[in-house]
Formats: sequence, C-alpha cells, structure tokens
Amino acid sequence: SQQGEEDPQALSIQEGENATMNCSYKTSINNLQWYRQNSGRGLVHLILIRSNEREKHSGRLRVTLDTSKKSSSLLITASRAADTASYFCATALNQAGTALIFGKGTTLSVSS
Amino acid sequence: GAVVSQHPSRVICKSGTSVKIECRSLDFQATTMFWYRQFPKKSLMLMATSNEGSKATYEQGVEKDKFLINHASLTLSTLTVTSAHPEDSSFYICSARDIARATGELFFGEGSRLTVL
Repeated sequence: SQQGEEDPQALSIQEGENATMNCSYKTSINNLQWYRQNSGRGLVHLILIRSNEREKHSGRLRVTLDTSKKSSSLLITASRAADTASYFCATALNQAGTALIFGKGTTLSVSS
Repeated sequence: GAVVSQHPSRVICKSGTSVKIECRSLDFQATTMFWYRQFPKKSLMLMATSNEGSKATYEQGVEKDKFLINHASLTLSTLTVTSAHPEDSSFYICSARDIARATGELFFGEGSRLTVL
C-alpha cells in the first residue's frame, strides 16, 4: 500500500540552487525518513525525523515535519550535479520493526 | 557498516522457470528483512516481511506461493520467484534493519533486476 505522496514528481534546477521536495502521508507515524535512489540502484538513507521533532539538519539537507498537516519537506541547499537522483519519503508506523511505506518519489535533475 | 548484499544484480530467465534472489546482511544481524518491488519510474511496493525462523508476512495481493520467502538465518533471506512470467519482470529490492541499532532506518541491497522472456 502507498502511504505518501511526494510533490513535485519531477524537479529540474541549476547547480547552486536549492531544491525543495514535499511529502504528505495519511496515518499517524512514529518517524519519517528520506531516502535517495540513483537510477537502477538501491536506496540510501538520508535522514530520519521523529514524530516529536519539527526540524532536522544534516549537512546540506534540512527536513521539516508537520504532524498536524501530515506533511514533511526535504530541502537540499546549494545543489550539485551529483544530487541528481530520485528522492523518496518513507513512514514508519512504529519503531519496533515494521516495514517502511514509501511515497511515490521526486526525481531531481541538477544541471551544471 | 550496515551493508546489505543482494545477488544476483541482474537475471534473465525463460518463462516458467524459477529464480532465487539472495539478500545478506554482511556486518549486522537482522531478525527482519523486507522485500520490495519497484516498477520503472515508480515507487517501492512492499511485498512481504521476512522473519527469521518463521513464516513471512505477505502484503495484500502478493501471492505467497508465487513469491517464496525463506529467512533461515539472522543474515540471509531469499526470495524465489516461482514459475516466472513476463509480468514478474521487475526490480526487486531487499532491506534490513540492524537489531543492534536503536534507530529506525533500513539498509538496502542494490536490487535485482529480473527479466522474464
């Protein structure tokens, strides 16, 4: 089953610009995570934000979470061509061991 | 650390044959592994949760007799696509959670691209 909806579906920007991707979900969650996938490859974990957190930073990444609106955003600052990939949000209903449910993803293209 | 190895990365088979995909956690133990399926330019769809030493839990609409899952040890889960047909062609990705970590992230294999002729 699908939990999240990301928007936009596709985003094209120039190097140096910021990229913002949004994710909405449907049910109550324990945490929300963002992953990156290069074409034809596995997924790499980027950042996790817990339901009691509102904002988190990691390097050039900034994630926000609004549980009242059931939404999250991922901001990549000063983008680079190497950031070109698909980005997925994923929600965990609890921490104990359930699977992650993924959103539809945003395909980001950064041109130099 | 936290490396998941998935093999094979690509496999082409004839219709009607069975294909086994292995997922190994190389440097950690995983009582639970997850199998996802991904269609081109689409998201990951959870197929089943693989539980070490017990039966897998399948998502609604996933045929358990078609997609056999075995999780015989804390570091290995296998997915066997039985009597494969062209519509089974897809990208299959496994993931695992490190039981020693308190964090909730999943570690993913590199995926296996199955093409059924």
